[in-house]
Amino acid sequence: GAGVSQSPSNKVTEKGKDVELRCDPISGHTALYWYRQSLGQGLEFLIYFQGNSAPDKSGLPSDRFSAERTGGSVSTLTIQRTQQEDSAVYLCASSNIGLSHEQYFGPGTRLTVT
Amino acid sequence: GQNIDQPTEMTATEGAIVQINCTYQTSGFNGLFWYQQHAGEAPTFLSYNVLDGLEEKGRFSSFLSRSKGYSYLLLKELQMKDSASYLCAVTHMDSNYQLIWGAGTKLIIKP
Repeated sequence: GAGVSQSPSNKVTEKGKDVELRCDPISGHTALYWYRQSLGQGLEFLIYFQGNSAPDKSGLPSDRFSAERTGGSVSTLTIQRTQQEDSAVYLCASSNIGLSHEQYFGPGTRLTVT
Repeated sequence: GQNIDQPTEMTATEGAIVQINCTYQTSGFNGLFWYQQHAGEAPTFLSYNVLDGLEEKGRFSSFLSRSKGYSYLLLKELQMKDSASYLCAVTHMDSNYQLIWGAGTKLIIKP
């Protein structure tokens, strides 16, 4: 596709369950980012992948969060033992490398933990 | 540390002009992005400023003053579709990829 895609668009889960969120970046973009956005808040950086380099996981809020990127393309963000405070919109973005390169965002996954 | 400030909400009238300010304190500042985010949608790129001055792009212009740690986004001839949140984000030398994001300014356009 032409843009970044994410699935599912909405996910409702019970507290304590695990969830997987998927991101398919723009073809050819080597950089991939995961962000979290709570209602009325700015973007919270979670994790960054660049090519075959080790990912920067410095933004992950706890060890319940993990992410992987297979084959330098599709990425999956996994949240284990979900908590109510995990409820947010999870946004994925991709870009070419470099400070001036804009990030292209996917439509996001709205996660609701009940 | 890193800090970005934007007004939480602004209201303007259709056809008018509005200026959304962004101030930042960040070490090793490199450049500043503005993104637009409609409710329930993903952010989309508007502008990127590295040098001081005003950059115009149609109805939207973005200004940067590196010495003052200040930027603004100027929207002219406002249309109802401009109702959205406007996010300011900075890049810094300490990281060649991370953006530091402001909380965004919700702009409400009234007829």
